[in-house]
Amino acid sequence: DTGVSQDPRHKITKRGQNVTFRCDPISEHNRLYWYRQTLGQGPEFLTYFQNEAQLEKSRLLSDRFSAERPKGSFSTLEIQRTEQGDSAMYLCASSWGQGDEKLFFGSGTQLSVL
Amino acid sequence: QKEVEQNSGPLSVPEGAIASLNCTYSDRVSQSFFWYRQYSGKSPELIMSIYSNGDKEDGRFTAQLNKASQYVSLLIRDSQPSDSATYLCAVKSDTGRRALTFGSGTRLQVQP
Repeated sequence: DTGVSQDPRHKITKRGQNVTFRCDPISEHNRLYWYRQTLGQGPEFLTYFQNEAQLEKSRLLSDRFSAERPKGSFSTLEIQRTEQGDSAMYLCASSWGQGDEKLFFGSGTQLSVL
Repeated sequence: QKEVEQNSGPLSVPEGAIASLNCTYSDRVSQSFFWYRQYSGKSPELIMSIYSNGDKEDGRFTAQLNKASQYVSLLIRDSQPSDSATYLCAVKSDTGRRALTFGSGTRLQVQP
């Protein structure tokens, strides 16, 4: 068990560019979540996968955001046409979906949009 | 009204004291409650979960839940400087949604 891995750790981009983040969950976990966190706030839910199926998306999630989890393993989160308001820490979490919903978080990807 | 509310703090307690962290939630069908600890610059880590009214103890940590009052708390006994962190309350509804809703967190400072 190597924990939840996220890549890259930091991303600096210019407004209008597209960015993609990757998350590798704990290997036996079938549920994967993306959250976003800004300074002084708690994590805000973005989207959730069970295996390869995307089962929930936040109502706040802009059409510029898309996530995939092909084959139910790693996941990618893409943000198109980035805006300065997208600057945040993007956290991935995974869990083993039986009973207790204990999320294990990765170290996150810090996005700065200039 | 936020779905999960916490006092942002900082809550400052002396080493060895009991730290009491509080959280209220608005969704009456919430069924699962979690406390996460987040050190500065790090990701959240789960420290306690509670599902039934009453107290649940784990080492120096006690979670308390009162569903009638929509209130959950975390007590940290014998607080240590290493407990200094932001404590996030998270709630899961029983409406079929799987996502946890987090509060903004309470920053705890334990003074040596």
